[in-house]
Amino acid sequence: GDSVTQMEGPVTLSEEAFLTINCTYTATGYPSLFWYVQYPGEGLQLLLKATKADDKGSNKGFEATYRKETTSFHLEKGSVQVSDSAVYFCALRTALSYNTDKLIFGTGTRLQVFP
Amino acid sequence: DAGVTQSPTHLIKTRGQQVTLRCSPKSGHDTVSWYQQALGQGPQFIFQYYEEEERQRGNFPDRFSGHQFPNYSSELNVNALLLGDSALYLCASSLGGGSGNTIYFGEGSWLTVV
Repeated sequence: GDSVTQMEGPVTLSEEAFLTINCTYTATGYPSLFWYVQYPGEGLQLLLKATKADDKGSNKGFEATYRKETTSFHLEKGSVQVSDSAVYFCALRTALSYNTDKLIFGTGTRLQVFP
Repeated sequence: DAGVTQSPTHLIKTRGQQVTLRCSPKSGHDTVSWYQQALGQGPQFIFQYYEEEERQRGNFPDRFSGHQFPNYSSELNVNALLLGDSALYLCASSLGGGSGNTIYFGEGSWLTVV
């Protein structure tokens, strides 16, 4: 079945360091891909998305490119801030039938940024 | 514009009891999905409601049931609670089930079963 695999955390970085969180997926068809972020004690917020191969999603300095050939959607940021500390979830959206769908999530990667 | 709202935010129940969680979708949205997020895990799809019908269900037992009302709000009911049901329950809404429109999540309801 469809699945998402993320690198395990925690990822610990100093402020202004470069961030990469790896995400690969297995899916039939052509899923849409997402990164969601969860700050402590909160729900999920959509960070960015890509709906077809070679699309690049970007938001708040974060970027991810939908790579169909490597089935990957790695999250990157050039310079992280303390406020980026959170758990990041990679997800794919799969159509279950004509009028229904669901998100399949990875297990999440905790990012800790220190001053 | 109110986003997805859920209630209650936190609750504690005893094994064997029943619980009802509530969700109001984002304004204009007609599709509601429920997810269970156990501690340290990613959210798992429970089911999705569209046009007041359960359209699809994840791998959850019949103890988990739901309902969608004509105003698109939704309830998640869990019967005969087990310790393993302790989790964050997330409601998500979108416009048009399966349409590909963006899915928005609420803050969640934290359920602790003791």
